[in-house]
Amino acid sequence: EDKVVQSPLSLVVHEGDTVTLNCSYEVTNFRSLLWYKQEKKAPTFLFMLTSSGIEKKSGRLSSILDKKELFSILNITATQTGDSAVYLCAGGDSGGGADGLTFGKGTHLIIQP
Amino acid sequence: KAGVTQTPRYLIKTRGQQVTLSCSPISGHRSVSWYQQTPGQGLQFLFEYFSETQRNKGNFPGRFSGRQFSNSRSEMNVSTLELGDSALYLCASSQDSAYGYTFGSGTRLTVV
Repeated sequence: EDKVVQSPLSLVVHEGDTVTLNCSYEVTNFRSLLWYKQEKKAPTFLFMLTSSGIEKKSGRLSSILDKKELFSILNITATQTGDSAVYLCAGGDSGGGADGLTFGKGTHLIIQP
Repeated sequence: KAGVTQTPRYLIKTRGQQVTLSCSPISGHRSVSWYQQTPGQGLQFLFEYFSETQRNKGNFPGRFSGRQFSNSRSEMNVSTLELGDSALYLCASSQDSAYGYTFGSGTRLTVV
């Protein structure tokens, strides 16, 4: 059975700090690793990493994929209160498509002013 | 460009009843997936449709079913509702799996 484990489950930091969120995965026929941010309801797509793109960066957010060790990290630098959310990691097979995404339980990140 | 639209936003049903949830994907997206989110289990894959065909189904009982129409809109049906079916049901659409999935805001189902 496919499995995705995220750590820590919750994290409280101060504004301006840098945080690292972890995600390990065991996905049969693994093809992609996705990160989402969920604030209230709709998870918002952040990154998708595959064998052809193992490092992504967007502003203060960046993510890497280690296919050998089967994990990914999401870094957020110079955190802001608006970064407070649940961050979800998901493993996908067949390109993250037909067989569905396997999600971790998420990391609940709280940024204190 | 409109996002993924799910209706209704909230729903309260009684045990034993059935319910139908609707999802309109982003225009041009042919793939629609459904997920159940609960505090204990997190997000779990229900099923995925592409061009009106169910391509795969997660580990849920047969009470959970779905379909997709020719305009890519999708519906999910749950029959004989149980208290444990109370959850946020999320729909996600994709143009191509290489670009990831865009989620709707979900339908909050409460079974009493």
